[in-house]
Amino acid sequence: NAGVMQNPRHLVRRRGQEARLRCSPMKGHSHVYWYRQLPEEGLKFMVYLQKENIIDESGMPKERFSAEFPKEGPSILRIQQVVRGDSAAYFCASSPFGGALSEQYFGPGTRLTVT
Amino acid sequence: QQQVKQSPQSLIVQKGGISIINCAYENTAFDYFPWYQQFPGKGPALLIAIRPDVSEKKEGRFTISFNKSAKQFSLHIMDSQPGDSATYFCAASMDGTSYGKLTFGQGTILTVHP
Repeated sequence: NAGVMQNPRHLVRRRGQEARLRCSPMKGHSHVYWYRQLPEEGLKFMVYLQKENIIDESGMPKERFSAEFPKEGPSILRIQQVVRGDSAAYFCASSPFGGALSEQYFGPGTRLTVT
Repeated sequence: QQQVKQSPQSLIVQKGGISIINCAYENTAFDYFPWYQQFPGKGPALLIAIRPDVSEKKEGRFTISFNKSAKQFSLHIMDSQPGDSATYFCAASMDGTSYGKLTFGQGTILTVHP
C-alpha cells in the first residue's frame, strides 16, 4: 500500500505566480489535512477536507489560498499570487476516519520557494 | 488557548543516554497527545501517542509520561542511538468540531553522538 504522495517535491515560483500543490492520500483514506511548516517552526494546521467537502478551513489565510478534494483525483492546495512569505514546506496527511484517534499519515511534503 | 509549548529547542546526548523532551498545553479539551519524529527532507511520522486517562505509555525505548493536573507531557528515549537523531514534535488534538486537527509544538532537534 503506497503511502501519501505529494508532488511536486520542490517548487520554485516567482512573486505573483500561482502554486499548485497536489496530495494523493493513502488508498482507502477519504480525509485529508494540510499543514504548513515555516523554517525552524512547527507545523501549523491549514485545512481539513473530506471528499468534495471543505470541513474546516480555520487555518487558511483569508486571501489567495484555496483547497479542494474532488471526488476523483488528488487534493489540491492552490496559492495565487505568491509572496516571499509563502515560502515553506507544505505537508498533507491522510486519515481513514478523521477525528482525534484516527492516525494521520504524512506525505513527504512540497517545499515551495518564492523568489 | 490552542498553543502547545515544547522544550528544549535542541538537545545533544551521548549514545546510550536518556533523551527527555517536554511539552505543556493550556486547552484542557485536548484529549489526544501524539509525538512525531521527522528526518530531514521527510514528513513527520507517528512515534507514540497517549490519551489523558493514562499517566504513562511505553513502546520499546520510547515512553510518554503524562501529567494531567500540570497539563504537561514528555517523551523519554532510553538508550538513545545515533539513528534517533531527528526533529521531534509533540502535538495535541481533540474530537468534536476540531475534527482531530493537530496543534504542534515548535520541535526539538535531537542529536545523538556515537
